[in-house]
Amino acid sequence: KAGVTQTPRYLIKTRGQQVTLSCSPISGHRSVSWYQQTPGQGLQFLFEYFSETQRNKGNFPGRFSGRQFSNSRSEMNVSTLELGDSALYLCASSLAFGVGEQYFGPGTRLTVT
Amino acid sequence: AQSVTQLDSQVPVFEEAPVELRCNYSSSVSVYLFWYVQYPNQGLQLLLKYLSGSTLVKGINGFEAEFNKSQTSFHLRKPSVHISDTAEYFCAVTGGSNYKLTFGKGTLLTVNP
Repeated sequence: KAGVTQTPRYLIKTRGQQVTLSCSPISGHRSVSWYQQTPGQGLQFLFEYFSETQRNKGNFPGRFSGRQFSNSRSEMNVSTLELGDSALYLCASSLAFGVGEQYFGPGTRLTVT
Repeated sequence: AQSVTQLDSQVPVFEEAPVELRCNYSSSVSVYLFWYVQYPNQGLQLLLKYLSGSTLVKGINGFEAEFNKSQTSFHLRKPSVHISDTAEYFCAVTGGSNYKLTFGKGTLLTVNP
């Protein structure tokens, strides 16, 4: 069974631009979560989607948004990029909301210049 | 609110030595506990999980962890480490009606020859 895939793997953007990251969960998994990983703050929860609905949200500004499609694939969008948004963005999938463990993708490395 | 404290940010050991990575958590509800490993430039891989039942949990790559409710700990152990175990290890907790994973800051395990 294929794992969680994320595209693109690497991305370079300039301040003020916006970016969209994509995540395809493991087949059969219906819940997708997003995390931001930085050296200073560690792993921080962004949001979780299940059945196309946001079920949980972390403490990030409204510039960070996401959505989930009917096939469980998810995208996250960051608008008006700031230098501090440079990070590894990780997507994780699980069978359903609140069920067991999450399986992570390789991440998208975003660099904002 | 839940929190996770990984007591050591770095743990250097020699090959074939035993290792223990410490994790303490705080939560007002029953918890599920996880250990993940992250190799350089990769996502997180699930090592092991505690959901219920036996407090001694065995995972992949020879790792095990013991859930201690009275001490609110979930320490990770391996009796004999290999060079290939060099990686960052994250302890995580979830529970209650809010299922988002809360991660510790991570412990960098470095195995030296």
